[in-house]
Amino acid sequence: DAGVTQSPTHLIKTRGQHVTLRCSPISGHKSVSWYQQVLGQGPQFIFQYYEKEERGRGNFPDRFSARQFPNYSSELNVNALLLGDSALYLCASSWGTRLTQETQYFGPGTRLLVL
Amino acid sequence: KQEVTQIPAALSVPEGENLVLNCSFTDSAIYNLQWFRQDPGKGLTSLLLIQSSQREQTSGRLNASLDKSSGRSTLYIAASQPGDSATYLCAAIMDSNYQLIWGAGTKLIIKP
Repeated sequence: DAGVTQSPTHLIKTRGQHVTLRCSPISGHKSVSWYQQVLGQGPQFIFQYYEKEERGRGNFPDRFSARQFPNYSSELNVNALLLGDSALYLCASSWGTRLTQETQYFGPGTRLLVL
Repeated sequence: KQEVTQIPAALSVPEGENLVLNCSFTDSAIYNLQWFRQDPGKGLTSLLLIQSSQREQTSGRLNASLDKSSGRSTLYIAASQPGDSATYLCAAIMDSNYQLIWGAGTKLIIKP
């Protein structure tokens, strides 16, 4: 089985632009989470979706939004990009039925550079 | 505020040594704690998951322990190898929001 996949792998944008990042979970997984990892730091939680509904939101501005599709893939959208949005964006999936007991499996990430 | 702290930030040891990485967390009522490995520029690989009811988990040369009362977890790596060089992160779910709270990681270098 394929692991979690993310696209694109790298992206360069300019300030003020909009970006859409995509994630496909492991087959059978219904929960998808998004994380932002700034260089030299641990990841920060952005969103979690389960069965197409938002289950959790981290401390990020409204410029960040996400959604989950019927096939459980997910998109992360960021509007009005700032230089500080430059980071590695990680997607993770899990079964979602017992979130406190499940391992989360991570994709390779999308590295976003905002100029 | 829920926090996860990892000390040291970096560690360099000769090949073959046994070593311990430390992780501390602020909330003893954690649901679970996970250890991950991250290679440069790459995503995260889950190494071990310890449920709140467990005290340790083992996988090959890796052993992770959990002490909720002291707010600490350790990752023990036996007979270290150069291929173990990576950044090791711990993360815990500490509330019903099911969010992983992450440490900043320990960068481990194993010298041949």
